[in-house]
Amino acid sequence: DTEVTQTPKHLVMGMTNKKSLKCEQHMGHRAMYWYKQKAKKPPELMFVYSYEKLSINESVPSRFSPECPNSSLLNLHLHALQPEDSALYLCASSRAGTRGSGDTQYFGPGTRLTVL
Amino acid sequence: GQQLNQSPQSMFIQEGEDVSMNCTSSSIFNTWLWYKQEPGEGPVLLIALYKAGELTSNGRLTAQFGITRKDSFLNISASIPSDVGIYFCAGRAGGTSYGKLTFGQGTILTVHP
Repeated sequence: DTEVTQTPKHLVMGMTNKKSLKCEQHMGHRAMYWYKQKAKKPPELMFVYSYEKLSINESVPSRFSPECPNSSLLNLHLHALQPEDSALYLCASSRAGTRGSGDTQYFGPGTRLTVL
Repeated sequence: GQQLNQSPQSMFIQEGEDVSMNCTSSSIFNTWLWYKQEPGEGPVLLIALYKAGELTSNGRLTAQFGITRKDSFLNISASIPSDVGIYFCAGRAGGTSYGKLTFGQGTILTVHP
């Protein structure tokens, strides 16, 4: 099973709202990722969690707040977003810190976020 | 930062034709990955390559990890309409942290029945 699930599938929010994106995997992976993707562009890395600890933050604005409650779950809390934050948000997971297969990331279906 | 040059940017082919796309870099890569993404969905892993020279097949797809470790190609044989999508190469460059993949800009594939 190489499935990563994400909820919700679609989200529309105003600039003053607070919402959360959720991601779950049951592959025993200890690294999880958040990406942002604009139409027809490659995914852009936002955050990396390794063994439930934040290991990489790609200078993401503080209106995006990640959380890793346990090894299977990853959340992205959203607050005071801007219209330019509208995008497909992708979660991914992989084995942690091992050469080769540890680099192999499995993506979820994404959450389509629209900020009005 | 690291850059991957993926080509072609787009391809328009007839059903049944073979397809070839590639990615090149000025840096050495330790891993090469190929993904396919359909509209409104996340990227799906097609093939993962871990060793220089490695040639791996997945059905009608074949990919190779270049000997110089600076390139990789993906071939699709006998294309069918469901091959339509955007194909991304990705990899981890030597000296970069685990988890930091570099992506190519994608190849948009259109298959005419």
